[in-house]
Amino acid sequence: NAGVTQTPKFQVLKTGQSMTLQCAQDMNHNSMYWYRQDPGMGLRLIYYSASEGTTDKGEVPNGYNVSRLNKREFSLRLESAAPSQTSVYFCASTQNERDSSYEQYFGPGTRLTVT
Amino acid sequence: KQEVTQIPAALSVPEGENLVLNCSFTDSAIYNLQWFRQDPGKGLTSLLLIQSSQREQTSGRLNASLDKSSGRSTLYIAASQPGDSATYLCAVRESTNAGKSTFGDGTTLTVKP
Repeated sequence: NAGVTQTPKFQVLKTGQSMTLQCAQDMNHNSMYWYRQDPGMGLRLIYYSASEGTTDKGEVPNGYNVSRLNKREFSLRLESAAPSQTSVYFCASTQNERDSSYEQYFGPGTRLTVT
Repeated sequence: KQEVTQIPAALSVPEGENLVLNCSFTDSAIYNLQWFRQDPGKGLTSLLLIQSSQREQTSGRLNASLDKSSGRSTLYIAASQPGDSATYLCAVRESTNAGKSTFGDGTTLTVKP
């Protein structure tokens, strides 16, 4: 049981390049999330997927797109990377976002630098 | 909009001390509150989850309390150890915002041997 896994762990991009961050969970969770963590800004929600087949914008969605490929996988795409997207990206999941008994579990993060 | 505040931002204590970390939130319409630990360069590890109907949860040397009406939670760490050094974050999951979570900025704890 690996929990939430993310690839890659580190990435350096040039401005304008594109890339996809991958996330997978093996806990049969319905809800999945993408956050970014920046010094002084805390964790901010980029996009989330309440259940397979649905996605919604979070607090900071501009410059990103997501795909809920199946129940296990939720990817985040940067179409044209900008230096402002330099950050640490975390994927998370929970069984049911509207059930108070379920914890949120996080992946190890992807450290992205855009030059 | 929900706001989550953690005070203090940083705390340094000698080994063996008991300590309390604070988390306050502005909107009491929550499903739950979760405390996390984050080590440098790592992801978030869940420590305790308190459902909105609960007052406290305990795990080993950790005890978390929740007072929803006043918008406050505390994380009590007993007999602190150098291995407890990390950043501690709290997150509230909002019942009026499609179950999305808002995080505090964290308290960075250093326990000196």
